[in-house]
Amino acid sequence: AQSVTQLDSHVSVSEGTPVLLRCNYSSSYSPSLFWYVQHPNKGLQLLLKYTSAATLVKGINGFEAEFKKSETSFHLTKPSAHMSDAAEYFCVVSDGYGGATNKLIFGTGTLLAVQP
Amino acid sequence: EAGVTQSPTHLIKTRGQQATLRCSPISGHTSVYWYQQALGLGLQFLLWYDEGEERNRGNFPPRFSGRQFPNYSSELNVNALELEDSALYLCAILTGIMNTEAFFGQGTRLTVV
Repeated sequence: AQSVTQLDSHVSVSEGTPVLLRCNYSSSYSPSLFWYVQHPNKGLQLLLKYTSAATLVKGINGFEAEFKKSETSFHLTKPSAHMSDAAEYFCVVSDGYGGATNKLIFGTGTLLAVQP
Repeated sequence: EAGVTQSPTHLIKTRGQQATLRCSPISGHTSVYWYQQALGLGLQFLLWYDEGEERNRGNFPPRFSGRQFPNYSSELNVNALELEDSALYLCAILTGIMNTEAFFGQGTRLTVV
């Protein structure tokens, strides 16, 4: 069975400093992995996705994530935080196939705060 | 044009009542997925409808049910509401290669008092 673990429920950084949001996954299959962002009172937006192509994935707003199979990790990073990055971030795994088990499994989320 | 439209945006019910939430996917999408986002619990998979049939459900009691109509819109019904049912309910469609990318609606905020 697939699962994801987001290692930090809250992360606080200063504007202009790097962001690291950690995610570990467990999957019986070759997984598809995603990061979604949810701004206050907004819906979920896809940041980036990994689907067995390049292991370093670039997303929107300067975010990127690296798939490391040996570490079963898919950490989200950004070189320099901006105030508008303050939001909740979800790491998500999917088995990537249609059929009865086709559903997304969400981590519990990491709330990112950006201090001026 | 929004990919997924949900209504209402907010819903307040009292304990024991029934709530009905609606989701309309953009034309061409036959599957809809329902998720519950409760405070402190993250997003939990609720139900998956495809071509009018329930294909899979998450670990929720039977009082959570739904249906999908011929136009592929969907309803989520929650009977005998409990206080802990208060949550944001999100509907999603899958897009992209191998249908692995989810596009979410804005959600319905259900408050049970």
